[in-house]
Amino acid sequence: GAGVSQTPSNKVTEKGKYVELRCDPISGHTALYWYRQSLGQGPEFLIYFQGTGAADDSGLPNDRFFAVRPEGSVSTLKIQRTERGDSAVYLCASSLRGASSYNEQFFGPGTRLTVL
Amino acid sequence: DQQVKQNSPSLSVQEGRISILNCDYTNSMFDYFLWYKKYPAEGPTFLISISSIKDKNEDGRFTVFLNKSAKHLSLHIVPSQPGDSAVYFCAASPGMDSSYKLIFGSGTRLLVRP
Repeated sequence: GAGVSQTPSNKVTEKGKYVELRCDPISGHTALYWYRQSLGQGPEFLIYFQGTGAADDSGLPNDRFFAVRPEGSVSTLKIQRTERGDSAVYLCASSLRGASSYNEQFFGPGTRLTVL
Repeated sequence: DQQVKQNSPSLSVQEGRISILNCDYTNSMFDYFLWYKKYPAEGPTFLISISSIKDKNEDGRFTVFLNKSAKHLSLHIVPSQPGDSAVYFCAASPGMDSSYKLIFGSGTRLLVRP
């Protein structure tokens, strides 16, 4: 079956621009996560959705970052007024359930964002 | 401050030999540990995990050992195969209501030489 997909695979933008990154989770997975992986680092948690609601957005670095999941499936990570420091690979993951117990997270291939 | 550390950025081993990847953590509240494997241009894929109530978990060629007193875990791959060449991430789960919030180390790049 299809895994987690993310589009675009690469995004190059200029400082100050707005970007949207899309994630299609595995069908039937109620939990969705966004992580950010900077060069030479491991993924860092950004936000967790259970269904349509953001259950934990404590990892979002500042208010330029926002994510939605309006129908409980596809999610969009939105970054306003991009900065060069936002350059990273943005990973999306989904799991069958969420926080009640550990559930394996399945990762997408990521979107590589480059801010010039 | 990094709560999960992988101090070896790279490791090279001969095919057929054992690969040992190490991971240290600082938070004694972590209750679940995972290893993920990542190939270029792909997302991390789950490899093996261990609960904090155990000290060993084995799955085929992969074994994870947990030493809680030392706050150390290791992944053993034996025998190593060229297809095992990838970046390996150690991750920890804080447990309780935040079990989903995986905290990753910076990864170790494993190269298995034919």
